[in-house]
Amino acid sequence: GQQVMQIPQYQHVQEGEDFTTYCNSSTTLSNIQWYKQRPGGHPVFLIQLVKSGEVKKQKRLTFQFGEAKKNSSLHITATQTTDVGTYFCAGRRRNTPLVFGKGTRLSVIA
Amino acid sequence: SQTIHQWPATLVQPVGSPLSLECTVEGTSNPNLYWYRQAAGRGLQLLFYSVGIGQISSEVPQNLSASRPQDRQFILSSKKLLLSDSGFYLCAWSVLGQGRVNTGELFFGEGSRLTVL
Repeated sequence: GQQVMQIPQYQHVQEGEDFTTYCNSSTTLSNIQWYKQRPGGHPVFLIQLVKSGEVKKQKRLTFQFGEAKKNSSLHITATQTTDVGTYFCAGRRRNTPLVFGKGTRLSVIA
Repeated sequence: SQTIHQWPATLVQPVGSPLSLECTVEGTSNPNLYWYRQAAGRGLQLLFYSVGIGQISSEVPQNLSASRPQDRQFILSSKKLLLSDSGFYLCAWSVLGQGRVNTGELFFGEGSRLTVL
């Protein structure tokens, strides 16, 4: 079945450093979504990428969708303590439910 | 605006006891509904999804079951809990679009944290 791998599993950074998490799918995706889950909370939708090679930005967050639509990345510039949490990618093939990666847990040291 | 309610928020159950988690959505009609489980430190595992009343698709064979008795109500049940059923259970909904399973983002409930002893 479809698998979505996400690395790294954990990342500890000093406040102000950059952070990147990578997502790879075993199959070509129709779209990919990114979610953030704060400690003790529930996942909250960040963004959806649909087009091959698409790049979207949300303030300090940059999201990319690979040309082959099998990989994606989330990059945070100059991390802040409010960025702490687990970031999940979730991919979907046409007309199938989302498959989530295992997430990258980000810790930011002030 | 749309809201999703999930309860109970936490529960501790003995092995072999039954389980019932309930989820309701307000402010939308005919949503897709989902049950996910998140084990400690793990990702989100899709358990069940539903595209309409009485329509349930199971993604993982196990001792859990789901039902959708009403358009905006989704219930997760078990007759006999196992230790391995412990985890954080999340209900979610998304917009149903022309018969497709999922056309956009998932909106998650607050979650139910289950500990089986």
